[in-house]
Order: sequence, then structure tokens, then C-alpha cells
Amino acid sequence: DTAVSQTPKYLVTQMGNDKSIKCEQNLGHDTMYWYKQDSKKFLKIMFSYNNKELIINETVPNRFSPKSPDKAHLNLHINSLELGDSAVYFCASSQESQRGYGYTFGSGTRLTVV
Amino acid sequence: AQSVSQHNHHVILSEAASLELGCNYSYGGTVNLFWYVQYPGQHLQLLLKYFSGDPLVKGIKGFEAEFIKSKFSFNLRKPSVQWSDTAEYFCAVGVTSGTYKYIFGTGTRLKVLA
Repeated sequence: DTAVSQTPKYLVTQMGNDKSIKCEQNLGHDTMYWYKQDSKKFLKIMFSYNNKELIINETVPNRFSPKSPDKAHLNLHINSLELGDSAVYFCASSQESQRGYGYTFGSGTRLTVV
Repeated sequence: AQSVSQHNHHVILSEAASLELGCNYSYGGTVNLFWYVQYPGQHLQLLLKYFSGDPLVKGIKGFEAEFIKSKFSFNLRKPSVQWSDTAEYFCAVGVTSGTYKYIFGTGTRLKVLA
């Protein structure tokens, strides 16, 4: 039973398209995150939601819009995709009251923009 | 600004060799410290964590790390590596600066030769 699941696992699309990545966690956590891992494996936080409320919004282009319909889901919509958006996107979750326990990561979505 | 440095970008070891990966952070407040491992093509998994108490923490698969507050360091060690330890290793620091968030190091790619 997957704890943090992301779909799709792979996404290949053309420049200019709009795409969405979905994330769901069944751990009962109240906080969810999106991270971007570039080709050099550098991990950078993009967004964080706590109980459906946006709490972290790093310097990410407006073309990226997260949506959290409930605390178990955090989706990422990307408009007008660019070549530089190619990366692996990881969703993660945690329990705010148990910060020291770390995050649980999803298996990642490899986005390739051509 | 807070940052996490992993000075070894690539490490190549033979099986049974000892491993030490460096991690230093810059943040003056209270921190939670983590090491994550990412096996090829997989998501990040928690190896070990430090929250409070004994600065020497033991994790899964024979890994351990020592928090040295005066040096702002949290180095990862393993006395005898195996071929299956080949992976990318990420140090992460949880800080509260406005909101609580993780800052990841740039990762160390470990290759263990059989």
C-alpha cells in the first residue's frame, strides 16, 4: 500500500503545453510538499501546504500552480511548459507536529519537455 | 541565508571500505538533521535523523551519523560499505525561519565497486 503516490511516473510533452501531476498520501499527514530535482540531482522546495493552506511558496514561476483539494492531495499544474522545466518532481508529506520524523517521499514524476 | 554543504560530490570506494560523507550547515538556530538515500531510479528514503539527545544516531543498513554542534556538522559514516550502497546521499536540515522547512544539500554520489 503506497504511502505517497504520484501520477504519472513519466511525462513527455511539448513546449507550450499545460500538464498536471497528482499526488496523494494515505499516511494521515497534514503537510505536503513539491520538490524539483534537476539534472544535477539538486533538490529544491517549490511549495508546501499544511491542511490545504499554502505555507511555503519559493521563487517559482507563476506558471506553476499547486492545488490542494484536501490534506491528502496536492496536485501541481504547470502552464506553458518550457525546456527548463524538465526535471524530476517529488511530492512528499509529513506531520507538522512531528517534524523530527522526516518526510515521506513519493517515487517522483520525470517530466521531459521537448 | 541558510545553506547545507556536502563537499564530496562523487565518492568511489571498494567494497568493505569505510565511508564518511561530510555535511555542514549554516544556521544558528535549532535544527533537525537528516540523511536521505536515493537509489538509482528511486525516490528518497530516510536513512537516519537527529532531533535531540544523543548526538550519535544510528540508522538503517549500518549507517550512523554524528551531530557536532560546534562544527555545524552532521557527517554520515559506515564502517564497511557494500555494492548495494551505491546511491545518491542527501543531507537535509530542518529549520524554522518563518515557517519550518527542509534545506537539502547538493547530494553525494557514492559508487561502490564490487
